[in-house]
Amino acid sequence: SQTIHQWPATLVQPVGSPLSLECTVEGTSNPNLYWYRQAAGRGLQLLFYSVGIGQISSEVPQNLSASRPQDRQFILSSKKLLLSDSGFYLCAWSADRVANQPQHFGDGTRLSIL
Amino acid sequence: DAKTTQPNSMESNEEEPVHLPCNHSTISGTDYIHWYRQLPSQGPEYVIHGLTSNVNNRMASLAIAEDRKSSTLILHRATLRDAAVYYCILRDPSNFGNEKLTFGTGTRLTIIP
Repeated sequence: SQTIHQWPATLVQPVGSPLSLECTVEGTSNPNLYWYRQAAGRGLQLLFYSVGIGQISSEVPQNLSASRPQDRQFILSSKKLLLSDSGFYLCAWSADRVANQPQHFGDGTRLSIL
Repeated sequence: DAKTTQPNSMESNEEEPVHLPCNHSTISGTDYIHWYRQLPSQGPEYVIHGLTSNVNNRMASLAIAEDRKSSTLILHRATLRDAAVYYCILRDPSNFGNEKLTFGTGTRLTIIP
């Protein structure tokens, strides 16, 4: 069966520090991968999605970037965090090129910027 | 993208059925109706989806209006573990490679013991 792992579960970082959040998927190949952010009390906002290694699409211009160095690895990064980067970050995957497949979410990383 | 409208919150008693409504008056002919739910401090979880006909699975039922401008997620017997935010989302399956989900604010369901 397929599983998705995100870490860390919680993170507290100072303003201006770098960020690296990692997401890996097991049990499937060539998944579509997604990064979402959820601000407190708000809905989810799609940040990035990827249909293959090295292929990243950005949905919202911002202080963050994403990379996909391996088929089942998706990394969210920032060189210098802002206060507005606080939130709940979620990684998700879906089956490639199969219509209406659900997206499967990880347990998320709660990021607090001080 | 076609939008959905849901009530901000609903309450239901434990062990009773729950009907969660969703309006999508601008739905296109190719949009599927998907439902996800998000339990506290967790990522969203897929619940069910459908196009025209009513759908049933082990988690819930989806009733779709004949004109497809609204739908209702039905939890047949609510438990405390069903307390979550429920999202109704429209998806066009032809958008391969761009299958983003547009989440609104959803309906926060509270289950009363």
